Amino acid sequence: GDSVTQMEGPVTLSEEAFLTINCTYTATGYPSLFWYVQYPGEGLQLLLKATKADDKGSNKGFEATYRKETTSFHLEKGSVQVSDSAVYFCALRSGGGADGLTFGKGTHLIIQP
Amino acid sequence: DAGITQSPRHKVTETGTPVTLRCHQTENHRYMYWYRQDPGHGLRLIHYSYGVKDTDKGEVSDGYSVSRSKTEDFLLTLESATSSQTSVYFCAISERATEAFFGQGTRLTVV
Repeated sequence: GDSVTQMEGPVTLSEEAFLTINCTYTATGYPSLFWYVQYPGEGLQLLLKATKADDKGSNKGFEATYRKETTSFHLEKGSVQVSDSAVYFCALRSGGGADGLTFGKGTHLIIQP
Repeated sequence: DAGITQSPRHKVTETGTPVTLRCHQTENHRYMYWYRQDPGHGLRLIHYSYGVKDTDKGEVSDGYSVSRSKTEDFLLTLESATSSQTSVYFCAISERATEAFFGQGTRLTVV
């Protein structure tokens, strides 16, 4: 079946550091890929997405490129802020979409001033 | 933000009692989902619906049932709550094979 693997952390960085959170996946066919962010006490918010190979999703300074050859969708940001502290989830959806998204276990990111 | 409301937001219940969580959407999306979130497990799919009265099981469906009598409402019922069902429950909606939008979650504690 489908699966998503991501580093769990916590990942601790200083403000203005470069961020990479790795995500690799296993899926049949050509899935759509997503990054979600969850702030404390809140639900998940869609951060960015990519629906086909070589697509780059971007939002709020975050980027991720759909790499079919390495089955990866790594999240990057050039300069993180304290407000980026949150849990980040990589997810995929394959097939017709009726049966929902498959999530990684989440990466807890802590940014120190 | 997508119009998704979960109720209640917090609930404490006793082992063996039935519990129903409600998800209400105003987006008229076809698909609705119930997930649970637990430390070390991420989000796991409990049940989903692809239309009124059309539902199916997800990865962790044992001990849960669902109903969808109207497009906008998706109910999750724990027939007889157990401590292993203490979790944060999220409802999500989507339209076709697109991204899903999540509610704010319900924190359920079974004592």
